[in-house]
Amino acid sequence: EAQVTQNPRYLITVTGKKLTVTCSQNMNHEYMSWYRQDPGLGLRQIYYSMNVEVTDKGDVPEGYKVSRKEKRNFPLILESPSPNQTSLYFCASSYRGQPYNEQFFGPGTRLTVL
Amino acid sequence: EDKVVQSPLSLVVHEGDTVTLNCSYEVTNFRSLLWYKQEKKAPTFLFMLTSSGIEKKSGRLSSILDKKELFSILNITATQTGDSAVYLCAVDTGGYQKVTFGIGTKLQVIP
Repeated sequence: EAQVTQNPRYLITVTGKKLTVTCSQNMNHEYMSWYRQDPGLGLRQIYYSMNVEVTDKGDVPEGYKVSRKEKRNFPLILESPSPNQTSLYFCASSYRGQPYNEQFFGPGTRLTVL
Repeated sequence: EDKVVQSPLSLVVHEGDTVTLNCSYEVTNFRSLLWYKQEKKAPTFLFMLTSSGIEKKSGRLSSILDKKELFSILNITATQTGDSAVYLCAVDTGGYQKVTFGIGTKLQVIP
């Protein structure tokens, strides 16, 4: 089944404790993105990746890191989480086709930073 | 700064009504406009629009783009309770999936 998977789905952690949220897709998509979704602010793009080893900042990259060492994986790293990073996080992927195909979203990771 | 604005923010209608959701945008580089439906989980794709004036249709849903006036509308006819969701509008501004989303319109359809 074609899908985007994220782990963990739920995470409660404490300020300053490094964490990684994994994202994997099995559709051989070139593009991958991370978003956070907050009430009243909608979905905001954190980072996106055009291909292996090629990433760029979205609208809210501060406090986050990403890497794209393999095509299928795009982990999101919070080196020192803070309470303002409490949010619902989505990973998404899409094919580099024409015309500008839609993104497929993962199920989301709900993160709480205490 | 790229901006996508949706209206109304919230809407309550009765089953069978027709609704129109609005999306306007101000972006530096327009590639495409996308509509998504989000129930209590991940967004799912509805439409992608790249050309003005060409209506996209899927069942009771349809959408059209006006690139001159910088807006799009999403129409839902004969609404059903299953249409209750948040509808998200997004603009691809970077060609590499650099995407800006609106806040969304929350639609509630009551029997």
